[in-house]
Amino acid sequence: GAGVSQSPSNKVTEKGKDVELRCDPISGHTALYWYRQSLGQGLEFLIYFQGNSAPDKSGLPSDRFSAERTGGSVSTLTIQRTQQEDSAVYLCASSPRGGGGNQPQHFGDGTRLSIL
Amino acid sequence: AQSVAQPEDQVNVAEGNPLTVKCTYSVSGNPYLFWYVQYPNRGLQFLLKYITGDNLVKGSYGFEAEFNKSQTSFHLKKPSALVSDSALYFCAVRDARGSTLGRLYFGRGTQLTVWP
Repeated sequence: GAGVSQSPSNKVTEKGKDVELRCDPISGHTALYWYRQSLGQGLEFLIYFQGNSAPDKSGLPSDRFSAERTGGSVSTLTIQRTQQEDSAVYLCASSPRGGGGNQPQHFGDGTRLSIL
Repeated sequence: AQSVAQPEDQVNVAEGNPLTVKCTYSVSGNPYLFWYVQYPNRGLQFLLKYITGDNLVKGSYGFEAEFNKSQTSFHLKKPSALVSDSALYFCAVRDARGSTLGRLYFGRGTQLTVWP
């Protein structure tokens, strides 16, 4: 079946612009996660959704970052007034359930964001 | 606090030789442990997990991992390496109590290179 789909696959934008990244999880997966992967920084957790609510936003690095999920499915991560340090690969993952579940997370191929 | 350490940034082995990628973890309760592999310009791909039971876990592509509670380790192994195994490998942990609301804690990754 279809995996986690992310769009766009690549995004180049100028410093100060807003960007919106999209994630379409595996059908039926109630848990959705955003991570950021930077050179030398490894994988950095951003936010976790269970259904449409976000019980864990602790990884969002600043108030320029926000995310929403509608209909328990598609999620968008928005970065306002982008800075060069926002350049990274943004990965989305989904799993059948979150919380203490023992199911693995399934990852999309990411959006490579470059801020000029 | 939860954390994962992958002490080697790089592991180099000859094709046909056994390989080991090391991982140690720290959690408050019992761990759920995962290994993922990442190929260039791709997302993370699930390899195997330890939840409970047998300490030796078998996964995809001939990989296995051994859970050692006393040493808090979960090393990834393969008896005979292939050139196609060359990739970036991530170890991850989640507290089984679910108090972390579903997020995974990742190590910084180990780049495995298998040379012909």
